[in-house]
Amino acid sequence: ILNVEQSPQSLHVQEGDSTNFTCSFPSSNFYALHWYRWETAKSPEALFVMTLNGDEKKKGRISATLNTKEGYSYLYIKGSQPEDSATYLCAFLSGGTSYGKLTFGQGTILTVHP
Amino acid sequence: DGGITQSPKYLFRKEGQNVTLSCEQNLNHDAMYWYRQDPGQGLRLIYYSQIVNDFQKGDIAEGYSVSREKKESFPLTVTSAQKNPTAFYLCAVYSAENEKLFFGSGTQLSVL
Repeated sequence: ILNVEQSPQSLHVQEGDSTNFTCSFPSSNFYALHWYRWETAKSPEALFVMTLNGDEKKKGRISATLNTKEGYSYLYIKGSQPEDSATYLCAFLSGGTSYGKLTFGQGTILTVHP
Repeated sequence: DGGITQSPKYLFRKEGQNVTLSCEQNLNHDAMYWYRQDPGQGLRLIYYSQIVNDFQKGDIAEGYSVSREKKESFPLTVTSAQKNPTAFYLCAVYSAENEKLFFGSGTQLSVL
């Protein structure tokens, strides 16, 4: 079983704070790293898919970086808002195809207080 | 995602009973996945299928079975051998065009 670890497990911040969390994954047999946001009572939705070492992606106030050599990715949220409250999941894709085995971390639960 | 239908939304299983969770998609994607979520844990991979008539075990396949007779359908059977089946089950399809997963709305399975 591939080891994909996310930290912290949960996080409480105040509205306006910036925050970040980590996803660690095996540095061998890397194909892609996915980030998903899972809001309560909804289905998980993709935020980013990253494939290249040094990749940086941005979507509004949310951005992510990727280091495949050392096996980690950071997700940053600038100026957190209550609507950012959700579980953030990363998923490691190994093997040689884009639709192989996707292994998820346990998630980081973010709560943004008004 | 409107193109992925999971049913039922809630399911109850009696001791020793097999139950089947349905996952149907009209997105014309090849790869489909089944994940299980338990409280405080992330999504754990049960089975996945990259093409019709082919599927692979994930990390927690014991006590489960699947079939992939049609591109649109990937049902998951929770057998009586699965001793702790109570969980939230999510089906997903992989879009090669967008390179990401799209998820169904899930099925909550509980044991009576």
